Amino acid sequence: AQSVTQLDSQVPVFEEAPVELRCNYSSSVSVYLFWYVQYPNQGLQLLLKYLSGSTLVKGINGFEAEFNKSQTSFHLRKPSVHISDTAEYFCAVTAGAGNTGKLIFGQGTTLQVKP
Amino acid sequence: DADVTQTPRNRITKTGKRIMLECSQTKGHDRMYWYRQDPGLGLRLIYYSFDVKDINKGEISDGYSVSRQAQAKFSLSLESAIPNQTALYFCATSDPLAGERNEQFFGPGTRLTVL
Repeated sequence: AQSVTQLDSQVPVFEEAPVELRCNYSSSVSVYLFWYVQYPNQGLQLLLKYLSGSTLVKGINGFEAEFNKSQTSFHLRKPSVHISDTAEYFCAVTAGAGNTGKLIFGQGTTLQVKP
Repeated sequence: DADVTQTPRNRITKTGKRIMLECSQTKGHDRMYWYRQDPGLGLRLIYYSFDVKDINKGEISDGYSVSRQAQAKFSLSLESAIPNQTALYFCATSDPLAGERNEQFFGPGTRLTVL
C-alpha cells in the first residue's frame, strides 16, 4: 500500500527567504508524484508533477521539486517566497501503470510567509 | 467557466438530516472522485467512479453513498448527517487515457457543517 508523509505541519518563513516543504512516500511500485496548493477558501490547484524522466520538476509560481527514488522523497522548494505563497500544500502519490488512479494525500503543510 | 463545479458551496444542517452534495464537470473525464478534508488529516477518499456504471468505495465510505447520474455528474449523499461529518468536501476528475497521467482536477469545495 502507498502512503505519504509530510514532515512539517507548519512552516513559517520570512518573505524573500528560501523554503523547502518535505514529502516522503512509500510504495512498492512505480509512482507518480504531485504537489497541490490550496489557497485560503479555494480548491486544490496543481503545482507540479513527476511522471518520469528528469528528477527535477519545475512547476508554476517558481516552485520546483526533486524526485529522489533512493530516499523516497519529493521535496518542494522555492528560492524566494512571497506573501502570496501563503497557503496549504499537499503532496500526493499514485501508482504507475495499471493503477486505479486514486491519489493518496499527505497531511498537508501550511506555509506562512511573514513580511 | 469552471471545469468542475460543486453545489452548494456552503451548507449548514442538523443531525439526522439527509444531505446531497452535487458535482458537475465539463472536462469530459470518465473518472470522478469525492474526498473530504479535515485539518491535519489531508484529503481522504470517500468514493470514486470510473464510469456511469461503476462505483467504488474509498478509504472512508461509511455513512456516505454516491450516485453517478451521467458521465458529467457525481453526487454524494449523507443519509443521516452526524456532527463528525462536518468537513470540507471536494469533487475531482481525471482521465489517464488523455495523457494527463492521473492528474486530478478539483472543484472549489463544499463546506458542510452538521450541528
